[in-house]
Amino acid sequence: QQQVRQSPQSLTVWEGETAILNCSYEDSTFDYFPWYWQFPRESPALLIAIRPVSNKKEDGRFTIFFNKREKKLSLHITDSQPGDSATYFCAASEVVGQLTFGRGTRLQVYA
Amino acid sequence: GGIITQTPKFLIGQEGQKLTLKCQQNFNHDTMYWYRQDSGKGLRLIYYSITENDLQKGDLSEGYDASREKKSSFSLTVTSAQKNEMAVFLCASRPDWGARGQNTLYFGAGTRLSVL
Repeated sequence: QQQVRQSPQSLTVWEGETAILNCSYEDSTFDYFPWYWQFPRESPALLIAIRPVSNKKEDGRFTIFFNKREKKLSLHITDSQPGDSATYFCAASEVVGQLTFGRGTRLQVYA
Repeated sequence: GGIITQTPKFLIGQEGQKLTLKCQQNFNHDTMYWYRQDSGKGLRLIYYSITENDLQKGDLSEGYDASREKKSSFSLTVTSAQKNEMAVFLCASRPDWGARGQNTLYFGAGTRLSVL
């Protein structure tokens, strides 16, 4: 059973639109939720992360919205740019545990 | 800053062959990881190690061995390559407990495996 689920599997938006990537998790002991992005032929790298002490984390055009009761979170990318085209992985762990990754959402932003 | 170096970048093997992938990091991190990435399946943990000579199995450890003989290096062995197998193996390390960014994984460039 997947501990971390992502949807959609792929997403296409036009430049300037807001892309919304969804994530849900099973384990209520998870309390650290990073998003990694991976460009074609490159390695994953940390984009932004949140802990459940807050329900929102913002970094420029990237915002995580977190709903602890429903065990859901989402990554919003406002004013999407072609350079944002990548695969986005949601992950989760306990404070000192190992990360469990979702299967990823492939985002394509067209100019 | 530091770097994680994986060798080789590309690995072509034969069915049933034992194949070894190597990883070196100069971050001086205690914890190192091996992940397997298949298209559409995300990153799955094979083995990790929290210190020299420590080994911990991940969800995908069957068919693999690992070795952490020194802090800076972590190797992974595919014990018997499967025909038509294609995957990317990613090595990663993490800052130590209490350090800034302690839960951030830093990845190497990967080893791309193809089995004929």
